[in-house]
Amino acid sequence: ETGVTQTPRHLVMGMTNKKSLKCEQHLGHNAMYWYKQSAKKPLELMFVYNFKEQTENNSVPSRFSPECPNSSHLFLHLHTLQPEDSALYLCASSQAELAGGTDTQYFGPGTRLTVL
Amino acid sequence: QKEVEQDPGPLSVPEGAIVSLNCTYSNSAFQYFMWYRQYSRKGPELLMYTYSSGNKEDGRFTAQVDKSSKYISLFIRDSQPSDSATYLCAMSAGGNNRLAFGKGNQVVVIP
Repeated sequence: ETGVTQTPRHLVMGMTNKKSLKCEQHLGHNAMYWYKQSAKKPLELMFVYNFKEQTENNSVPSRFSPECPNSSHLFLHLHTLQPEDSALYLCASSQAELAGGTDTQYFGPGTRLTVL
Repeated sequence: QKEVEQDPGPLSVPEGAIVSLNCTYSNSAFQYFMWYRQYSRKGPELLMYTYSSGNKEDGRFTAQVDKSSKYISLFIRDSQPSDSATYLCAMSAGGNNRLAFGKGNQVVVIP
């Protein structure tokens, strides 16, 4: 596997289910991100991790719970979601955030989530 | 006012035409500008990366940044059906990797 991988690629869940999304990066990066992509809306940053530490939670509801056990893996645990949470969830990675500059983010293919 | 404005299209052009895409922004602190290409059922991939004002060319692609007007553009020359995708602009003030994205502009190149 190369680059950034995400599983599952598609997920359908009920509002009472609990599921998890997985992201793995094979690029040696130390920063990882979760984004939400909805139709006709800009990408929304949800969470940022640098060296396994969460450095940003962009006012995301608690029904989304991220976990970063190491610099290569990132999870998004989902529970009691709402239909409006249906979207494409994208994971990205980059070099760790440094003062000055902006490093390129590399995206995975995303998980298409449908909440019934 | 939204931080980044991008007309979502769609934009349909015949093969071989020049595709012109643009974004405007409101934050004068932005100095890193990117264009991502996203094919259907795929994640975005970086296409062009520019710093501050000026032009950058890479093959059939040219990115322009006009910071005085807070306006960036992407031109695709000799467009091909394989260029059919959604193009997202993104920008950052630097200092961290926080990107502000446009909505994306869907482009269809008709053979």
